[in-house]
Parts: sequence; structure tokens; C-alpha cells
Amino acid sequence: ILNVEQSPQSLHVQEGDSTNFTCSFPSSNFYALHWYRWETAKSPEALFVMTLNGDEKKKGRISATLNTKEGYSYLYIKGSQPEDSATYLCAFWDSGGYQKVTFGIGTKLQVIP
Amino acid sequence: DSGVTQTPKHLITATGQRVTLRCSPRSGDLSVYWYQQSLDQGLQFLIQYYNGEERAKGNILERFSAQQFPDLHSELNLSSLELGDSALYFCASSVSYSGAGEQYFGPGTRLTVT
Repeated sequence: ILNVEQSPQSLHVQEGDSTNFTCSFPSSNFYALHWYRWETAKSPEALFVMTLNGDEKKKGRISATLNTKEGYSYLYIKGSQPEDSATYLCAFWDSGGYQKVTFGIGTKLQVIP
Repeated sequence: DSGVTQTPKHLITATGQRVTLRCSPRSGDLSVYWYQQSLDQGLQFLIQYYNGEERAKGNILERFSAQQFPDLHSELNLSSLELGDSALYFCASSVSYSGAGEQYFGPGTRLTVT
């Protein structure tokens, strides 16, 4: 069973604050890392697909970095807004012949107006 | 709206029964993935089909099976249902057969086994 860990499990920030969370994954057999945004009562929405060590992706106020050698990815949100409140999931894809994906349990972000 | 549809939205059934969940991928996507989210657990990967063929298998029980049809819709069959099978079942589609492509999730089917 692959270990994909996300920290913190939950986070409360004030509107306007910047924040970041971590996804840790095995440093071997890396194929890809996905980040998702998951609002309550909805389904996960893709944010980023990261495949190369050193990858940096950005979408609006949200960005992500990837370090495959040490097995972690950071997700940053600049100037948090109430609509950023959601659970942020990462998913690790391994490079085995029969490729599997393992999800972290997510970081639940609450932005307080 | 991701373009992925799942039916039914809710399903309530008794232990020992069999159900079929249906998923239609986004137009042009050849890959369909099935996931299970049980209470207090993260998303668990069950199985992937690509263009009609099984591509990868995760923690899928032997009582569960899936297939992808020529029109690319997929069905997940759950049999001999147990209380512990109660969960939210998602399908997702992707244009890619590997993890290099974005996945688009459907709205999910909530299964309750009583």
C-alpha cells in the first residue's frame, strides 16, 4: 500500500491570507501527481497534473510545485477568498507496469471572511 | 459540469443484492476510471478501462466487476452486497490512458446498502 500523506488535515485562514499545504508521496516509481479541488456536495475538480521534477504550475491565485526526488508537492493559494474553501486532494500515480493511483485524504481549507 | 454523467444518482438496496452503476465519459475521452469513497476514507481507485480494455486494477473486490462498451460508456457491477459497500462511487474520464492526462469526475452515485 503506497503512502500518500497530506498536511495539514485542516486549515482555517482569514480572507486575504496566503496559505500552502503539502502532499508527500513515495520518491520511487513516480509517474505523475494530480491536485484536485473538492467542494462539499460536488465532485473533485482537476487543478494540476504534474509530471516532471521541478514542475511549477499556476492557475490564477493557485500554484503548485513538485519535487519528485524527495517526494513532495506544495500547493499555494495567494490571497485566499471564501470561495477557495474546499478540500484539496493530491493523487500519486506510480510508474509500475499496471499503473495505479493513490489519493491522499486531503487538506480541508476554510477561508473566514 | 464536467461532461461526465453517472446514473443513478442515488441507490438504496438490501444486502445480498446486485446493482449496476453506469458512467458515460466526456465526448472524446477513451479512459474511464472507477473510484469508491467510503465513510471516513479517502478516494480508493477500483479499476480503469481504456478503449474497451481493462488497463489497471486497484483495490477492487472480487464481487465487483466492470466493463466498457464500444460506445465507451462503462458499467460497474456490484454483487452480493454488504453493508460495508455503502459508499459514494465516482467515475472519471480522461483522454489519456495514463496518469499524464487530466481526469474529469462525474457527479457520483451514492449507494446505500441496508
